[in-house]
Amino acid sequence: RKEVEQDPGPFNVPEGATVAFNCTYSNSASQSFFWYRQDCRKEPKLLMSVYSSGNEDGRFTAQLNRASQYISLLIRDSKLSDSATYLCVVNNTSGTYKYIFGTGTRLKVLA
Amino acid sequence: DTGVSQNPRHKITKRGQNVTFRCDPISEHNRLYWYRQTLGQGPEFLTYFQNEAQLEKSRLLSDRFSAERPKGSFSTLEIQRTEQGDSAMYLCASSFADGGPLTFGAGSRLTVL
Repeated sequence: RKEVEQDPGPFNVPEGATVAFNCTYSNSASQSFFWYRQDCRKEPKLLMSVYSSGNEDGRFTAQLNRASQYISLLIRDSKLSDSATYLCVVNNTSGTYKYIFGTGTRLKVLA
Repeated sequence: DTGVSQNPRHKITKRGQNVTFRCDPISEHNRLYWYRQTLGQGPEFLTYFQNEAQLEKSRLLSDRFSAERPKGSFSTLEIQRTEQGDSAMYLCASSFADGGPLTFGAGSRLTVL
């Protein structure tokens, strides 16, 4: 089993739609969680950290479920500019500070 | 500070040659990471440093790969006797030592012919 798993997609959604991605992780000791966005042939860029109580940044909402070991990202009112790959990242901080990335979920927002 | 800097941005080499990539992290960050990314995959962890100490290496990092961070500032990643399977984007990232997010450089794209 992979340490961090994501549905690779692609998710094709119309503008204005709401879309949600999930990511599961295998190490119950994982401490820090993030969502990154990566555009084609560019480096990953931090979208948002994920906090235990859940957090929101504009149209983006991230949630963490430690019991079920998954994190989610919700995008409301999708824009064409949201088209990208979304990477789930888990930092196993108990004894190691290795950040593990999922394979990414591709999103395409259609006009 | 302009962020994480990597060079060269692109490198084309022939199989069997050695290549070296350099990474200059954000100056306040004491952790530095190297990742490799191929098309359709997420970044794969290679190694990381805290200051000048290399604390962990992935099993992906064969004996042809070596990374250094001699003074705890910039880092180099060398690949000896390159193979076509080494063709990938090599990403460097840095962070504070608090489990916070990584900041990536633009990457060094390697093509081995």
